[in-house]
Amino acid sequence: QSALTQPRSVSGSPGQSVTISCTGSSSDVGGYNYVSWYQQHPGKAPKLMIYDVSKRPSGVPDRFSGSKSGNTASLTISGLQAEDEADYYCCSYAGSYLPFGGGTKLTVL
Amino acid sequence: EVQLLESGGGLVQPGGSLRLSCAASGFTFSSYAISWVRQAPGKGLEWVSAISATGGTTYYADSVKGRFTISRDNSKNTLYLQMNSLRAEDTAVYYCAKPLPVMANFYYYGLDVWGQGTTVTVSS
Repeated sequence: QSALTQPRSVSGSPGQSVTISCTGSSSDVGGYNYVSWYQQHPGKAPKLMIYDVSKRPSGVPDRFSGSKSGNTASLTISGLQAEDEADYYCCSYAGSYLPFGGGTKLTVL
Repeated sequence: EVQLLESGGGLVQPGGSLRLSCAASGFTFSSYAISWVRQAPGKGLEWVSAISATGGTTYYADSVKGRFTISRDNSKNTLYLQMNSLRAEDTAVYYCAKPLPVMANFYYYGLDVWGQGTTVTVSS
């Protein structure tokens, strides 16, 4: 059971767009369309931002979007805002377990 | 309001045991698979275990298989995690989380409601 691979950090200025990648294998990201993304602010529980690769739960701004190509999923945040600064985690079904990525710290400059 | 509330965390010596609970309210608990996810201090999220809505099927991460047991009591709207043979590397905040209603019995679906977490510290 292996974790998914994410960049440790990304940054962007307010109003810009950033993309966070999540690389797995054909046994997880590439094999299923059950990729989800979570936002976590310090000391808080994670919040679901994207599920089924690209669907947004109600209440999540459409600035957040998800996609997948092969074994790599991506989360794009457009029109960056200060409150977007947080840790982001990807997650994918893998047949009998649920690996998460190592997390990416987003800094809004 | 849909809520999950964990309890039972604390300080335990290596090799010891602890049982965590997750009390659910505001939704039909017996219709949902539920997962436990943990986060070690300063580290990322790690899925630990999950159980089907009826309790008939359980799933575990390799890191806890054989040491942890997940169970549920649908009459009490409560999920449990029995943790035995605890190690220092089990030190973490433990969260319970439920999937979106559209795929309620699929533990791997988008986890839309999380508890506030309960802290487990394994140390001598």
